[in-house]
Formats: sequence, C-alpha cells, structure tokens
Amino acid sequence: KQEVTQIPAALSVPEGENLVLNCSFTDSAIYNLQWFRQDPGKGLTSLLLIQSSQREQTSGRLNASLDKSSGRSTLYIAASQPGDSATYLCAVRRYLENSGGSNYKLTFGKGTLLTVNP
Amino acid sequence: GAVVSQHPSWVICKSGTSVKIECRSLDFQATTMFWYRQFPKQSLMLMATSNEGSKATYEQGVEKDKFLINHASLTLSTLTVTSAHPEDSSFYICSASRRAGGGNSPLHFGNGTRLTVT
Repeated sequence: KQEVTQIPAALSVPEGENLVLNCSFTDSAIYNLQWFRQDPGKGLTSLLLIQSSQREQTSGRLNASLDKSSGRSTLYIAASQPGDSATYLCAVRRYLENSGGSNYKLTFGKGTLLTVNP
Repeated sequence: GAVVSQHPSWVICKSGTSVKIECRSLDFQATTMFWYRQFPKQSLMLMATSNEGSKATYEQGVEKDKFLINHASLTLSTLTVTSAHPEDSSFYICSASRRAGGGNSPLHFGNGTRLTVT
C-alpha cells in the first residue's frame, strides 16, 4: 500500500524567504508525481507534474524535484510572497493491474500548511 | 483551459435527505472523472472513479448505494449522497481527465463542495 508523507505539517516564514517542502512515498514504483496548491475551502490547483523518468520541473518561482529510487520529492519556492500562503499537497500516481475504474491510482499526502508573513 | 466547475460550493441539508453535487468540465471532454472526500486536516481519499457511459467503480469501504454516481456525458458527472447523515458531512471534490483512466495527464480539480448534514 502506497503511503505519502509530507513534512513539515505546517510552516511559517517571513516574506522573501526561500523554502523547501518535502514529500516522501513508500512505493517507488510510481508513474508520476504531482504537486498541488489548495486554498482554504477550495479545490486543488495543479502546480507541477513530474513524470517518473524526470528529475525536476520548474514553473516560475517553483521548482519540484523527484528522486524516485529514494521515494522523495521536494518543492522549492523562491522568494516567497504572502499570496503563496496555502496548503501544498503532494500526490503520487501508480499503475495497478486489474484495477477497476482506473489503473492509475492517485495517493495524496496530508499536505503542508504554508503561511508567508508580510 | 481545463476548467472544472463544481456546484454547489456548499450545502446544508437535514439528516435523511439526499443531496446532488455536479461536476462539469467546461472546456474539455472528461473521459474519466474522480470523486474524492476530504475530512479536516486529512488527505483526499478517492471514493470512486467514473468513466463516461459506464458504471462507476467504488473504492473499498465506499457504499455505492449511498453515493450514487452518474457520468452520462463527457462533460458532466454527478454525485448524489442519499439519505445523508451527519457523519457524511465533509468536503467533496471532483477531478477530471481527458484521458481514460487518467493516465499520465494532469488532473484538474473542481473547487469542492462543503456538505453539512444537520
């Protein structure tokens, strides 16, 4: 059974600081990994998707890395801003044989609650 | 592009009544839609997967007669919580994928529905 852990559970930083969010998963046989942002009471916004063959993806101030063999991913946020305050979720996708509905199962971590203070 | 609209955003109902939640893909055809439930400070848990034109596949422990899912078109899936009880109070989120089963493509999420059963 795949388990996804995100550390820390909560993080508070001053504006302008660079920060790293961590995600680890127990089964390294993943298809891809996706980072999401969730604002309070809202749905998820996809930030970055890393395929299993890739090592990193970048979008603006965000950089996500993937080390599949060690079961780890990091999300790096540069020059943090108050608008970055949200919960960041990591999700890994696996391929499962003989799985009804969809062969691609997504497992989420509990998220890291980020607060960027002005 | 890839906008998913979920309605209503919040609903309060009395115990024993039924509630329908709609999930629409506005600018793409969603071959597969996923329904998740999220309890406070917990990760998203997959409830069921629906492929257009076929019966939904439910995850273990999810009652299919209680959570009715219909995916009659490529742009609309509905989740009906029947005979709702206070323990069904939760945040329900749908996601949609162009590709059958999700595959390696990003998932696009709705903004969620906060259900409160009194």
